[in-house]
Amino acid sequence: RKEVEQDPGPFNVPEGATVAFNCTYSNSASQSFFWYRQDCRKEPKLLMSVYSSGNEDGRFTAQLNRASQYISLLIRDSKLSDSATYLCVVNTFTDKLIFGTGTRLQVFP
Amino acid sequence: EPEVTQTPSHQVTQMGQEVILRCVPISNHLYFYWYRQILGQKVEFLVSFYNNEISEKSEIFDDQFSVERPDGSNFTLKIRSTKLEDSAMYFCASSEAGSHEQYFGPGTRLTVT
Repeated sequence: RKEVEQDPGPFNVPEGATVAFNCTYSNSASQSFFWYRQDCRKEPKLLMSVYSSGNEDGRFTAQLNRASQYISLLIRDSKLSDSATYLCVVNTFTDKLIFGTGTRLQVFP
Repeated sequence: EPEVTQTPSHQVTQMGQEVILRCVPISNHLYFYWYRQILGQKVEFLVSFYNNEISEKSEIFDDQFSVERPDGSNFTLKIRSTKLEDSAMYFCASSEAGSHEQYFGPGTRLTVT
């Protein structure tokens, strides 16, 4: 089983749509959880950390379910500029980040 | 906004040559990392560095690789004898004490011919 698993997509959605991405992780000892965004051939950029209570940042909402080892990201009111690959990332007791392969989002006009 | 910088942006080298990739982490950060991403694949951890020593390394980080913090600002990754399969994007990242949030530099694209 992969350490971090994501649906690769692509998700093609119109502007203004709401889209949700899911991610599962295999190590129940995972401590910290993140969503990063990566544009083509660019570096991963931290979008948000994910907390057990769930958290929201503008149009973005992240949820964590430790019992199911499941993380989600919801994007409301999609913009063209949201088109990117969204990376689910976890770490355990060390600082090593473990990346999923990413979910590609394409927002069209 | 402070950011991680990396040089060069693109390095082309011949198989068997040594390369040094350079990074300047965010100034108040104490933890430094190298990751790589082969084209079309996921980002993979190589090594973490704290207090002038390696704290963790992956299986990829074999004897051909080394890291160094030669002064108060630079953090380097050396590949002693490059192989074709070392061709990838190499990302440097840093984080501050007490945080697991890592911030990535723009990467160096290494092409080994």
